[in-house]
Amino acid sequence: QKEVEQDPGPLSVPEGAIVSLNCTYSNSAFQYFMWYRQYSRKGPELLMYTYSSGNKEDGRFTAQVDKSSKYISLFIRDSQPSDSATYLCATSPYTGNQFYFGTGTSLTVIP
Amino acid sequence: EAQVTQNPRYLITVTGKKLTVTCSQNMNHEYMSWYRQDPGLGLRQIYYSMNVEVTDKGDVPEGYKVSRKEKRNFPLILESPSPNQTSLYFCATKRGFNTGELFFGEGSRLTVL
Repeated sequence: QKEVEQDPGPLSVPEGAIVSLNCTYSNSAFQYFMWYRQYSRKGPELLMYTYSSGNKEDGRFTAQVDKSSKYISLFIRDSQPSDSATYLCATSPYTGNQFYFGTGTSLTVIP
Repeated sequence: EAQVTQNPRYLITVTGKKLTVTCSQNMNHEYMSWYRQDPGLGLRQIYYSMNVEVTDKGDVPEGYKVSRKEKRNFPLILESPSPNQTSLYFCATKRGFNTGELFFGEGSRLTVL
């Protein structure tokens, strides 16, 4: 079993839609939960970062972690064409040394 | 400007010919790591380094070597590359130990024929 499972998509939505991206993880020792955005031919860039469980909001983006069900979510409100990218979820244990990534979900926002 | 710089960005080589992918960071971060990204498999950690002269294996270390002799540099060495090491490679750093915030380089696309 992979440490992190992510819906691969692809996902295509109209501009202005609410997007929901999801991952599950297997190891209850994971304490750091991240979402990275990766544009074509670029390195991943950190979008949202959460320690332990709960919600975190930053502008149009909301990250949720439910440790009881080992579920990670990213919500994008009022999606824009510039949000078109691949979104990677990631986790790490408390030590923060090893990182485990989902396979990524490709999102296209249609104008 | 904070940067993680990888070289080369693109490389085509042949089986068995030793190569090194360099990674340099200007953020004074102690932690550095290497990943490979493959379709359907996502990003997988190869090696990481907590500090100078301190390295440890990630999920997929076979066929790779690393060294950390200076804080800013963390080269990835393929001593005898094979076609299954054809991949997109990323170097990343982070500013503290108990944090999940990685800063990635732009990637190095390697093809082994």
